[in-house]
Amino acid sequence: GAVVSQHPSRVICKSGTSVKIECRSLDFQATTMFWYRQFPKQSLMLMATSNEGSKATYEQGVEKDKFLINHASLTLSTLTVTSAHPEDSSFYICSGAGAFNEQFFGPGTRLTVL
Amino acid sequence: QQQVKQSPQSLIVQKGGISIINCAYENTAFDYFPWYQQFPGKGPALLIAIRPDVSEKKEGRFTISFNKSAKQFSLHIMDSQPGDSATYFCAASMDNAGNMLTFGGGTRLMVKP
Repeated sequence: GAVVSQHPSRVICKSGTSVKIECRSLDFQATTMFWYRQFPKQSLMLMATSNEGSKATYEQGVEKDKFLINHASLTLSTLTVTSAHPEDSSFYICSGAGAFNEQFFGPGTRLTVL
Repeated sequence: QQQVKQSPQSLIVQKGGISIINCAYENTAFDYFPWYQQFPGKGPALLIAIRPDVSEKKEGRFTISFNKSAKQFSLHIMDSQPGDSATYFCAASMDNAGNMLTFGGGTRLMVKP
């Protein structure tokens, strides 16, 4: 399957700071990338859908000014958690969409806000 | 409204046994049904997927059975191994929805040695 990387894999930050997470499709071009959030022992919750070169589409209840998404190229999307607070601590996962409905997921980023 | 319902939430199977996880969907427009395997602290990995034009797909020890009329599909893991212990998610999407997946709630599988 296609490979998606995420960086960093783990980040700890102080409350009020901003954190950027990178998502890269390594061996395919992802016109569409998705960002998910996952709490312990729960399913993936879609946060937003981003298409290369256009603004992201956010799911209901997700603050677009808090979770900034940039999809500047067909292989890179970034999620910036602005002014992070402890309640933003979670496992963030990105995925890139392939040509036939498949989604290939990154390894995830564990964010801990102190 | 949850569009994909998955059961059971957790499953314990002896090594060598068959693990069966079921999913039911509501939206008849769904036309792609993947299963993902997720280990703790890792992202989900695509395991196997099926489209409605076939009733069964097998890849190694993993088989998807699909019942279009009942709007149900299931994952069967034959000869289950301790290394299969993970969380499994079913999902569904439709071609005209930009690859957007609707996930089931997940099943935590434990295979005992």
